[in-house]
Amino acid sequence: QKEVEQDPGPLSVPEGAIVSLNCTYSNSAFQYFMWYRQYSRKGPELLMYTYSSGNKEDGRFTAQVDKSSKYISLFIRDSQPSDSATYLCAMSRASGSRLTFGEGTQLTVNP
Amino acid sequence: EAQVTQNPRYLITVTGKKLTVTCSQNMNHEYMSWYRQDPGLGLRQIYYSMNVEVTDKGDVPEGYKVSRKEKRNFPLILESPSPNQTSLYFCASSYSSGRATYEQYFGPGTRLTVT
Repeated sequence: QKEVEQDPGPLSVPEGAIVSLNCTYSNSAFQYFMWYRQYSRKGPELLMYTYSSGNKEDGRFTAQVDKSSKYISLFIRDSQPSDSATYLCAMSRASGSRLTFGEGTQLTVNP
Repeated sequence: EAQVTQNPRYLITVTGKKLTVTCSQNMNHEYMSWYRQDPGLGLRQIYYSMNVEVTDKGDVPEGYKVSRKEKRNFPLILESPSPNQTSLYFCASSYSSGRATYEQYFGPGTRLTVT
């Protein structure tokens, strides 16, 4: 069983929709939770990170962590065609420890 | 412009022919790392380096070598490539190993095909 599970999609939504992307994990020691965005033929770039539980908002993006359920989410409000990319969740146990990535969800926002 | 560069971007080679993929960063980062990305498996760490002359194995180090003689460069060496090393490779860097826990800057990727 993978430590981090992420539905690869693909997910296709109309412009303006609210998008929900999710990951589940099995290792309760994870403390840092990240979302990376990867455009086609590019390297991943950090979108947001959260330490421990709770919510974090940055513009149209909201990251949520529910450690009791071992479940993290990324919400995108008012989605735009420029949001079309693969979204990777990543987690780590402690400062200095390695990242464990989900396999990514491919998102397409249609104009 | 702050960036991580990789060369070559695309490479097709044959089994057993030694190759090197270069990685360079201009941000004075201490931490550098190599990943491979495969369908269904996501990103997996190959090797990492916390500073010059300090390297360690990641999750999938078999068949790879690295060196860190200068802070800005972190080449990935495949001494005898095999078809199962066909993959998309990413170099990444961060200010420190602690910062790398949550923030890494990735290069554009190198697509390697071994026939």
